[in-house]
Amino acid sequence: AQTVTQSQPEMSVQEAETVTLSCTYDTSESDYYLFWYKQPPSRQMILVIRQEAYKQQNATENRFSVNFQKAAKSFSLKISDSQLGDAAMYFCAYRLPGGGADGLTFGKGTHLIIQP
Amino acid sequence: DAMVIQNPRYQVTQFGKPVTLSCSQTLNHNVMYWYQQKSSQAPKLLFHYYDKDFNNEADTPDNFQSRRPNTSFCFLDIRSPGLGDAAMYLCATSGGRPSGAAPNEQFFGPGTRLTVL
Repeated sequence: AQTVTQSQPEMSVQEAETVTLSCTYDTSESDYYLFWYKQPPSRQMILVIRQEAYKQQNATENRFSVNFQKAAKSFSLKISDSQLGDAAMYFCAYRLPGGGADGLTFGKGTHLIIQP
Repeated sequence: DAMVIQNPRYQVTQFGKPVTLSCSQTLNHNVMYWYQQKSSQAPKLLFHYYDKDFNNEADTPDNFQSRRPNTSFCFLDIRSPGLGDAAMYLCATSGGRPSGAAPNEQFFGPGTRLTVL
């Protein structure tokens, strides 16, 4: 079975600084997808960024980028120029590429605090 | 705006009293998922519907059932809630794609927080 591990229960960063959230995963598959989701307090989970395992290029979305190391099974999220609105729980998630209906396997999450 | 709606946002039930949680979507997605998220834990997939096809996760307790009467609605039934079933229940949808294609994003509802007394 696939597992996703987020070793940082909580991270704190000053506004406008850069922070990196860690994620490792375990799988025997060679093709899969990885995601970072953001869950603000009392609000729904939204997708931040996704990475396809067969792509070597790291995904980027504005201030958000990933460092995908397939051999090390590592998938970290870098947030540049942190803003107060970035404060949330961040979940790393894994999904197989089958059928289009497979559910996500999540890590336990990292609580990100932005210090003004 | 197209969205995933969950009702109620907060539900209190008594130990052993059946409870139903509701999810509706205006995205016209063919896949709907139910996740259980206990405090300080990762969301865990319970089951999903691909159109009318029900797919149960192997370790989902029999106490949990689901119904999908049409594309827009999906229900989570807990037949005899125990104290250990207190959690946030998340509904999500996705468009679904043929095997090998990049997965569609999953869109989540705000969740229903269930308290069992």
